[in-house]
Amino acid sequence: SQELEQSPQSLIVQEGKNLTINCTSSKTLYGLYWYKQKYGEGLIFLMMLQKGGEEKSHEKITAKLDEKKQQSSLHITASQPSHAGIYLCGADEDNFNKFYFGSGTKLNVKP
Amino acid sequence: DGGITQSPKYLFRKEGQNVTLSCEQNLNHDAMYWYRQDPGQGLRLIYYSQIVNDFQKGDIAEGYSVSREKKESFPLTVTSAQKNPTAFYLCASTPGQGSTEAFFGQGTRLTVV
Repeated sequence: SQELEQSPQSLIVQEGKNLTINCTSSKTLYGLYWYKQKYGEGLIFLMMLQKGGEEKSHEKITAKLDEKKQQSSLHITASQPSHAGIYLCGADEDNFNKFYFGSGTKLNVKP
Repeated sequence: DGGITQSPKYLFRKEGQNVTLSCEQNLNHDAMYWYRQDPGQGLRLIYYSQIVNDFQKGDIAEGYSVSREKKESFPLTVTSAQKNPTAFYLCASTPGQGSTEAFFGQGTRLTVV
């Protein structure tokens, strides 16, 4: 089955600093998804990447998928306390919509 | 508004009892999923269903059962065979065609005492 490794597992940054979260797959990804989760709540969809080399941005968050479609990064510019939460990368396997997720990265932003 | 609803939000059960978690969606999605999340960890796939009356085991199906009698509903039963049932359970759905994001419910926190 698909395995997704996220790094780092947790991150504490000062408000205003930039940060990057990585997601690496053992297989070529058909689709790569980034979600954010507040503790004890459901997941909020951030972005979906499908094409090698693709990059998408929303407000201060940018996600990239490498050319080989096995690694993705999520970059937050000028972090704010509202960015705090758990970031999860997910992927579907072979277009059969069998979704897998990484172990998550817990982000804290200190004011 | 279309969405996916899980109920209840909090559930307490005695050890040895079966318990059923509800998941309903009005998005007309074909595929539905159940995940388990433990503190500080990511999501692990329990069961998924790509079409009515059919479902497949995920990575941690032991001690769980599901049914998919209606397109809108995908209930999960946590049986007494599940050794460590206390966890946060998330239900999700997708259209089932091609690659699109999954829509999630708000989760059910199950505590077994």
